[in-house]
Amino acid sequence: DAGVIQSPRHEVTEMGQEVTLRCKPISGHNSLFWYRQTMMRGLELLIYFNNNVPIDDSGMPEDRFSAKMPNASFSTLKIQPSEPRDSAVYFCASRRDGLARNEQYFGPGTRLTVT
Amino acid sequence: QKEVEQNSGPLSVPEGAIASLNCTYSDRVSQSFFWYRQYSGKSPELIMSIYSNGDKEDGRFTAQLNKASQYVSLLIRDSQPSDSATYLCAVNREAGTALIFGKGTTLSVSS
Repeated sequence: DAGVIQSPRHEVTEMGQEVTLRCKPISGHNSLFWYRQTMMRGLELLIYFNNNVPIDDSGMPEDRFSAKMPNASFSTLKIQPSEPRDSAVYFCASRRDGLARNEQYFGPGTRLTVT
Repeated sequence: QKEVEQNSGPLSVPEGAIASLNCTYSDRVSQSFFWYRQYSGKSPELIMSIYSNGDKEDGRFTAQLNKASQYVSLLIRDSQPSDSATYLCAVNREAGTALIFGKGTTLSVSS
């Protein structure tokens, strides 16, 4: 089975530009998570969807960040306008809630560099 | 108090030794516990999950959970240089909530 798919794998952009990151969760998983990882702050949860509905977006740093999940197989994380401090690795993860074994799996990540 | 705490390390062990990684959590009602391994430049990879008190073994890995003391540990037997990575402890307080991750412990296995 295919794992979590993310695109692009690498993104280099200039400050002020819009960036869109994409994620396809594992088929059958009903929860999707966006994380950001930096050396300084570690792995931070940005937003969590369950059945395509945002449940917890308290980790979204500011209004420049937005996330959508229009259907069960696709989600986007958008940054507009981007800033150098947004440079990080962004991970998407999914899991199937409602089971006793609620194991969560990560995608390969998108390495974002904002110059 | 941080919700999930790990010693950042680095933890250095010789090849063939047992590596012991520890994690404590603050919320007593936590239900599910996970260990992820993350190689440099890669994404976190789930290696162990544990849901009840006691030990759970999978190959060279053993996860130990003690809910009364609020700690979970990971033992790696016969450590190999390929085990060198950062190990993240994650805790799920209750069903339908997001995992809470520790900062990770860096393990270095020398040959």
